[in-house]
Amino acid sequence: DGGITQSPKYLFRKEGQNVTLSCEQNLNHDAMYWYRQDPGQGLRLIYYSQIVNDFQKGDIAEGYSVSREKKESFPLTVTSAQKNPTAFYLCASSSSTGLYEQYFGPGTRLTVT
Amino acid sequence: AQSVTQPDIHITVSEGASLELRCNYSYGATPYLFWYVQSPGQGLQLLLKYFSGDTLVQGIKGFEAEFKRSQSSFNLRKPSVHWSDAAEYFCAVGAGDDKIIFGKGTRLHILP
Repeated sequence: DGGITQSPKYLFRKEGQNVTLSCEQNLNHDAMYWYRQDPGQGLRLIYYSQIVNDFQKGDIAEGYSVSREKKESFPLTVTSAQKNPTAFYLCASSSSTGLYEQYFGPGTRLTVT
Repeated sequence: AQSVTQPDIHITVSEGASLELRCNYSYGATPYLFWYVQSPGQGLQLLLKYFSGDTLVQGIKGFEAEFKRSQSSFNLRKPSVHWSDAAEYFCAVGAGDDKIIFGKGTRLHILP
């Protein structure tokens, strides 16, 4: 089955540690996205990538970093510089045809204490 | 700048009753519009989309939405809700560079 996988489902880290969230897609999509979701805030765009080896900052990129070395993979690193990293993180992809339709993974809940 | 407003944070309806979730958008050209649904702790699932053509679009799970350009609205409707429809619903608009802007969501509660 084609789809997007995110791992792990739950992640716990101590404050001051960097942590990397995985996102893999087998939909052959060009574009991939990372969103952060907090209660009552909707989805906020962290980073997105329209093509391999290129990515752009979204609305809340500070304290996060990404890479796009392969079309299928778009890992997100939450660095120790992110002041409030506890949140639900969603990865998505789209075919980059200009029609915007995005498909989402199941999400990773990160808790930092 | 593009934006999406969902005026209702929470909506409660009885099982079997009709449903309408409101969405207003701000966009200069003809928008690409979407409704997504999210169950607790899960990712988002696309319910339906509007790109052009017929302003009444049908989606999955018995949902439909109507695009009204004059009102800048894209309200989601269902004639009879089921307990399994309890979830959070997000309206979204295409915003250029393959990006989507999401509303803050409406949480739907179903009374038995």
